[in-house]
Amino acid sequence: EIVLTQSPATLSLSPGERATLSCRASQSVSNSLAWYQQKPGQAPRLLISDASNRATGIPARFSGSGSGTDFTLTISSLEPEDFGIYYCQQRSSWPLLTFGGGTKVEIK
Amino acid sequence: EVQLLESGGGLVQPGGSLRLSCAASGFSFSSHAMTWVRQAPGKGLEWVSGISSSGGSINYADSVKGRFTISRDSSKNTLYLQLDSLRVEDTAVYYCVKCLGYQYYYMDVWGKGTTVTVSS
Repeated sequence: EIVLTQSPATLSLSPGERATLSCRASQSVSNSLAWYQQKPGQAPRLLISDASNRATGIPARFSGSGSGTDFTLTISSLEPEDFGIYYCQQRSSWPLLTFGGGTKVEIK
Repeated sequence: EVQLLESGGGLVQPGGSLRLSCAASGFSFSSHAMTWVRQAPGKGLEWVSGISSSGGSINYADSVKGRFTISRDSSKNTLYLQLDSLRVEDTAVYYCVKCLGYQYYYMDVWGKGTTVTVSS
């Protein structure tokens, strides 16, 4: 099973700051990685697929990068609505899919 | 507008069964793979099961294999998850999720979820 480790567990930032979230895979997943955002009490939503492709309607301040085992989600300038929990997910080991444990982005 | 409406959750005793349903609308249901993802209280996301657009490819997480059964009815635009031999650790919100293409790689639209509580 491919294990995804997200860091940090919590990121405390102010609106306008840059957020950098990490996702590390236990073995190479090529570029087969997605990022999701979940706000309290809501279902997740897809942000990024195939490591760097923004999903429909996702603002340009969200960007994804990386390949192999190390991936980064960057939010260039945090908006108040960006606070929540972010998860990465890999499909390299399809038909089995796995999620990372999540990074909580909170208001400082 | 794409909509996914789950139903069928509830309180059940260990060893019991439930059938979750997910009514889909606003997209070509037969052209998209579907998955179920669950989230235990205060925990992260766990992929449970996936089914291809044709229904020909079906897979399960090891934690539910042999106990859960996924299926789809394209005539009714509905996805199902049969939960048998339920355990306390199956307690979670269960999300029905539409996938980007014919195979369940990435999940682009999520339902609001239905809560399953397994307790005596």
